[in-house]
Amino acid sequence: NAGVTQTPKFQVLKTGQSMTLQCAQDMNHNSMYWYRQDPGMGLRLIYYSASEGTTDKGEVPNGYNVSRLNKREFSLRLESAAPSQTSVYFCASSEALLRDSYEQYFGPGTRLTVT
Amino acid sequence: AQSVSQHNHHVILSEAASLELGCNYSYGGTVNLFWYVQYPGQHLQLLLKYFSGDPLVKGIKGFEAEFIKSKFSFNLRKPSVQWSDTAEYFCAVSLLMDTGRRALTFGSGTRLQVQP
Repeated sequence: NAGVTQTPKFQVLKTGQSMTLQCAQDMNHNSMYWYRQDPGMGLRLIYYSASEGTTDKGEVPNGYNVSRLNKREFSLRLESAAPSQTSVYFCASSEALLRDSYEQYFGPGTRLTVT
Repeated sequence: AQSVSQHNHHVILSEAASLELGCNYSYGGTVNLFWYVQYPGQHLQLLLKYFSGDPLVKGIKGFEAEFIKSKFSFNLRKPSVQWSDTAEYFCAVSLLMDTGRRALTFGSGTRLQVQP
């Protein structure tokens, strides 16, 4: 079991460029999430997907789009990168949103720098 | 709005010292509570969690946390820290939203540095 995997691990973009962060999980989880982590601010939820075929905005969705490609994969896209999007991005998954066993499993993160 | 507060941003301890990291949340409904740890260069891992029952929860690596409902707190403790406990610790609260869905809100984190 690889758990939650993310690609790439590091990325440097110029302002205005676009890119897609990839995330996959092999735990047959229904729910997946994208967070960004900034110093002193903890993790903030960007988007989540309760189940295959659904996506919802989190706390900080502006400037991002997501796609739940299938049950395993959940991608995050930056259409026009801005320096404010410099951050570490974490993908996570959990068995479900509503069940008591609401434990999230995290990927290793993608460190993105926008110049 | 619901929030999670971790008042200790950076804690420095010597090995064998006792640890207590504070976590408070602002929400009056049913909550599930978590502590996650992020070791240098690694991803977040679950230390312990509380859903119901005994408010004193034991986790991995000798950590424990106590849920005090009247104080809206879920403080993390360890009697004797080791150098390998150097990491960043995040408190998280799972709240039941009006939509019927749960959302996980994280605190800003506490960086623990243990000196040998």
